[in-house]
This record gives sequence, structure tokens and C-alpha cells, in this order.
Amino acid sequence: AQKVTQAQTEISVVEKEDVTLDCVYETRDTTYYLFWYKQPPSGELVFLIRRNSFDEQNEISGRYSWNFQKSTSSFNFTITASQVVDSAVYFCALSAPNSGYSTLTFGKGTMLLVSP
Amino acid sequence: EADIYQTPRYLVIGTGKKITLECSQTMGHDKMYWYQQDPGMELHLIHYSYGVNSTEKGDLSSESTVSRIRTEHFPLTLESARPSHTSQYLCASSESAQFYNEQFFGPGTRLTVL
Repeated sequence: AQKVTQAQTEISVVEKEDVTLDCVYETRDTTYYLFWYKQPPSGELVFLIRRNSFDEQNEISGRYSWNFQKSTSSFNFTITASQVVDSAVYFCALSAPNSGYSTLTFGKGTMLLVSP
Repeated sequence: EADIYQTPRYLVIGTGKKITLECSQTMGHDKMYWYQQDPGMELHLIHYSYGVNSTEKGDLSSESTVSRIRTEHFPLTLESARPSHTSQYLCASSESAQFYNEQFFGPGTRLTVL
């Protein structure tokens, strides 16, 4: 069975602070994909990144960076110099062959509140 | 850029009414999904489809039904709405059945049943 755990339900920071959102996953598959989505107050989930299980390189995109560590089954997401517009719910998700074709297993989400 | 649409965005109805939530995508994606999002934010897959004339139930049991007569259209129907159906409903699509494809989401329908 697949499982994604986002232990942080809610995080509050002040603008310009760095913040890391944790994601821990479980799967028996050796090939799998990990995703992060952002859900702003408008409601739709916005795709941020996809990472496959064979690529452990960290990725940086502007103020966003992702740290993938297979040894600890974690795929953490860091926002540098947070801004008010970063306020949203962030979901980590896992997709693997045994979970059904293209069916995502989502974590419960972390609500990030960035205050001015 | 994802092109997936949901109507209505907001719906308030009385108990016992039949409702249909619309979802359309213009990307030609084979696979489509319906999720129910509870107030605690958690997403639950309730239905999905591999393509035309294919529908499957998801992880969470739901009293709703779906149909897939056209590739671009995946409506969800509640025959008799109840207050327990109050939730946010999100539609999504992905290019194919491959597990590595990301899903693209619509803006959601927030349903309130009085």
C-alpha cells in the first residue's frame, strides 16, 4: 500500500522567512513518482513538480527548492524568502504502479500562512 | 497550461434535489478523475475513467455516479443530495494511464446541501 504523510497541518511564518514543508512517503515499488501541488484560496490544485525515484538530485526553481532523499523516504519542499502570495495549502503526492495507473496518493496537505 | 473547466463553481441546494456537476477538458486527455475534498483539506478519489465508456470507483465510497460518453466530458451526478454531500468537488485529467503523468485540476465546485 502507498502512503504519504505530511505531519505539519499548518505553518505560519512572517514574510521573507524561509519555510520547509515535510513529506514522507511509503511504497513497495522501486519505480515511483513524487509530486507537489499548490492549492491557493481560489481552489484549484496547481502542479509544481514531479520527481522520479531514480533521480535524487535536488531541484531549484526560483524561490522553490526540493530535497529528495530515498534513504529517509522524504521529499521536502522549501520556500526561500516567503511571500504573502505563497499562502496556500500544499500537497505532496505519490504515484506508483501498484497504486493503480496514474492514481495519485495524496498527503493530507500543509496549510502555509505567510503574514506581511 | 491546463484547460479544465468545472461548473458551477458554487452551488447551494436543498436536500433531495438531483444535481449534476460538470467537468470538461480541452486537452484530449484520456484519463479523468473526481476528488472530494473535506473541510480538513484531505483529498479523496471518488471516481475515475480511463477513457470513453470507462468508469471506475475510487478509494472513497460515494453515492454519486459518473459517465464518460465523450472524451472531454466527465459529469458527476447526485440523484438525491443530502447535507453529508456538502464538500468541495475537484475534477482532474491526465494525458494517459501512465502512472508518471501529472494530473491537471479544475477550479472545483463547492457544494452546500441544506
